[in-house]
Amino acid sequence: DVKVTQSSRYLVKRTGEKVFLECVQDMDHENMFWYRQDPGLGLRLIYFSYDVKMKEKGDIPEGYSVSREKKERFSLILESASTNQTSMYLCASRQNNYGYTFGSGTRLTVV
Amino acid sequence: KNEVEQSPQNLTAQEGEFITINCSYSVGISALHWLQQHPGGGIVSLFMLSSGKKKHGRLIATINIQEKHSSLHITASHPRDSAVYICAVRGSGGSNYKLTFGKGTLLTVNP
Repeated sequence: DVKVTQSSRYLVKRTGEKVFLECVQDMDHENMFWYRQDPGLGLRLIYFSYDVKMKEKGDIPEGYSVSREKKERFSLILESASTNQTSMYLCASRQNNYGYTFGSGTRLTVV
Repeated sequence: KNEVEQSPQNLTAQEGEFITINCSYSVGISALHWLQQHPGGGIVSLFMLSSGKKKHGRLIATINIQEKHSSLHITASHPRDSAVYICAVRGSGGSNYKLTFGKGTLLTVNP
């Protein structure tokens, strides 16, 4: 069964910490995405990557960076976590012209 | 105005009822996706549509490209169908990596 795995389901971090959210897919997909989901705002795209070492900003990239050194792994980095980055983070992957596969999500709380 | 509008926002039904969730969008698209999210859970892709109609078990999805409208139907609804249903569209041309999401419809099916 194809899978997108996010390393943590729940995470609590302190303001100012550097936070790494990891996402791994086993489907050899080209495209990978990081979204955040907030009540009343729905899902919003932070960054995406259409190939190894390639990245594009999404709609809300401020305060985030990403890394894709290998095809199967796409990392989201919060350089200096802030309370307004408390959210559910969802990773997804897709092969061109096919549907999306989502991870189970990481609920991040910044205190 | 959001590019993807869903209705209703909330829907409560009795077990066995026929359910319809609607999605309207305002941009040109290459595909429309229906997604399901259970409380606290990740997102599951139900359908990807670019024309016509698709059926999977008790779920049916239709799309009218000319009217920029899609519907998700659930026949013989069951309490396990209780979830948030999200419509998302993938743009055409240069924006076809991105999904734009509706804000979701919270469905509750009572036994």
